[in-house]
Amino acid sequence: DTAVSQTPKYLVTQMGNDKSIKCEQNLGHDTMYWYKQDSKKFLKIMFSYNNKELIINETVPNRFSPKSPDKAHLNLHINSLELGDSAVYFCASSQDDRDAYFGPGTRLTVL
Amino acid sequence: AQSVSQHNHHVILSEAASLELGCNYSYGGTVNLFWYVQYPGQHLQLLLKYFSGDPLVKGIKGFEAEFIKSKFSFNLRKPSVQWSDTAEYFCAVRPSGSARQLTFGSGTQLTVLP
Repeated sequence: DTAVSQTPKYLVTQMGNDKSIKCEQNLGHDTMYWYKQDSKKFLKIMFSYNNKELIINETVPNRFSPKSPDKAHLNLHINSLELGDSAVYFCASSQDDRDAYFGPGTRLTVL
Repeated sequence: AQSVSQHNHHVILSEAASLELGCNYSYGGTVNLFWYVQYPGQHLQLLLKYFSGDPLVKGIKGFEAEFIKSKFSFNLRKPSVQWSDTAEYFCAVRPSGSARQLTFGSGTQLTVLP
């Protein structure tokens, strides 16, 4: 069984479009995250979220918004996509301060 | 806020050579430390972790790491690398007892030549 899953795996879209990436975890973890990995492989936290608190990295544009319909899901919605948004986006989850489990990633290409 | 520094951006080794990748962190309190590996085109997988106790921790695939508190370091080692170890390696830190995000270093690309 996949612990953390993301869809789609690849996403190619035009500038200005709005898109969403879905994430689901079946580990029963309390906290979920979104990370952005750029072309130099650098991993940058975008959001961390549990049922009590949403923490937003202040450098993330407000075009990005997390949406959590329930504890097992944390979707990422992006408005007005820009060229610089092209990257691989990883969802992850963890319980308390234990290690994080990562999803397979979504490679977003903005044309 | 915590930060992580990985000094080696790209390491190239021949098979059977020994490996040591450096990791230093900055944080004023107690931390949990992690090493993750990312094989080409894949997601991050946990290699090993340190929470407390014996500062020498062993992980999967023959990797180990040593936590040296006085040096704020958590270096990754492997006595004999294989071609299949070619990957990107990330050190990460999180304050102990915190459910907040892991902070990652910039990564080290390891290339093992057959």
